[in-house]
Amino acid sequence: AQSVTQLGSHVSVSEGALVLLRCNYSSSVPPYLFWYVQYPNQGLQLLLKYTSAATLVKGINGFEAEFKKSETSFHLTKPSAHMSDAAEYFCAVMGGGSGGYQKVTFGIGTKLQVIP
Amino acid sequence: SQTIHQWPATLVQPVGSPLSLECTVEGTSNPNLYWYRQAAGRGLQLLFYSVGIGQISSEVPQNLSASRPQDRQFILSSKKLLLSDSGFYLCAWSAKGFYGYTFGSGTRLTVV
Repeated sequence: AQSVTQLGSHVSVSEGALVLLRCNYSSSVPPYLFWYVQYPNQGLQLLLKYTSAATLVKGINGFEAEFKKSETSFHLTKPSAHMSDAAEYFCAVMGGGSGGYQKVTFGIGTKLQVIP
Repeated sequence: SQTIHQWPATLVQPVGSPLSLECTVEGTSNPNLYWYRQAAGRGLQLLFYSVGIGQISSEVPQNLSASRPQDRQFILSSKKLLLSDSGFYLCAWSAKGFYGYTFGSGTRLTVV
């Protein structure tokens, strides 16, 4: 079965500082991995996805993530945090399912606080 | 382009009352459809998914049910709400080849 573990349910960074949100995955097959962002009382928006092409994936809003098979990690980074980055971030892995259905398993989320 | 609509945005219902949340997708056909519930500190829990009209699969036993009467319509229902049904409900769709989920804006349900 596939699973993801997000290390740190809350992360605080200063405005302009590096953002690093950690995600480790477990998968019996080559995984598809995703990062989503959720602003308060809104749905989730896809930030980026890894689908076995380039290991460094660039997403929207200046975010990127690197797939490291040896470390089973898919950490999300952004060089310089903006106040607008304050949100909750979810890592997810796709795998399993059948009959046209692809199961996606989400992590519990990491709330990012940006301090002015 | 594809869009997903979910309503209502917020709902306060008494215990024992019925529930109906609706989700519709535009701009695509034969999508996979999903209902998730989000509780604080527990991430997203998949409740139901559907790969076609009338085809519903449940991930967890619960007080809720789902239906797909039309290709792009997905409904979440309950005959009698419980306090534990409170939460943030999200509808999502994906293409059959899967290029990522697209989520609706969610419904905040409070059962009182």
